[in-house]
Amino acid sequence: AQSVTQLGSHVSVSEGALVLLRCNYSSSVPPYLFWYVQYPNQGLQLLLKYTTGATLVKGINGFEAEFKKSETSFHLTKPSAHMSDAAEYFCAVSESGSSNTGKLIFGQGTTLQVKP
Amino acid sequence: DSGVTQTPKHLITATGQRVTLRCSPRSGDLSVYWYQQSLDQGLQFLIQYYNGEERAKGNILERFSAQQFPDLHSELNLSSLELGDSALYFCASSVDGRAQNRGRRDYGYTFGSGTRLTVV
Repeated sequence: AQSVTQLGSHVSVSEGALVLLRCNYSSSVPPYLFWYVQYPNQGLQLLLKYTTGATLVKGINGFEAEFKKSETSFHLTKPSAHMSDAAEYFCAVSESGSSNTGKLIFGQGTTLQVKP
Repeated sequence: DSGVTQTPKHLITATGQRVTLRCSPRSGDLSVYWYQQSLDQGLQFLIQYYNGEERAKGNILERFSAQQFPDLHSELNLSSLELGDSALYFCASSVDGRAQNRGRRDYGYTFGSGTRLTVV
C-alpha cells in the first residue's frame, strides 16, 4: 500500500528565506508524485509533479522538487519565500503502470507560515 | 476557475439527515474522484468513477454512496449524517482515469473548490 509522510505539520520561515517542505513516500511500484497547495477557503492547486524523466522538477511560483528514489523522498523547495506563499502544502503519491487509476494518497499537509 | 464545478459550496444540515453533493467534471474528462478533507483525517480518497462505472474505492463509509451519470456529472450521497461527517468534500476530474495523462499538457488532475458540509 502506498503512503506519504510529511515531516512537520507547521513550518515557519522569514520572508526571503529558503523554504523546505519534506515529503517521504512508500510505494511498491514506481510512483507518480505531486505537490499541491491549498490557500485558505480554496481548493487544491497543482504546484508540480514527477512522473518519469528528470528527477528535478520545476513548478509554478518558483517551487521545485527533487525525486530521490534511494531516499524515497520528494522534498519541495523554494529559494526565497514570499508572503504570498503562506498556505497549506500537500504531497501526494499515485501508482504508475497498470495500477494507475489516478487515485491520490495525500500526506497530512504542512502549513507554511511566512514571517515579515 | 478550474473547470470542475461543485455545488453547493456550503451546506449545513442536522444529524441523521441525508444530503447530495454534486460535481460536474471539466469538459472532456471521463473520470471523477471524491475526496474528504477533515481536521482529524486529512485528505482521504473516497471513490472514483470512470465513464459511469466505479473504478476504485477508498475509505468510503457504507452510509455514503456515489454515482456518475451518462452526462458524466457525479453525485455523492451522504446519509444518516453524524457530527464527524463535517468536512470539506472535494471532487476532481481527469481525462482517462489516470494521474498522468499522455499527450495532455496539464498532467495530474483538476480539483473543484469543494463543498463544505457542516453537520449540527
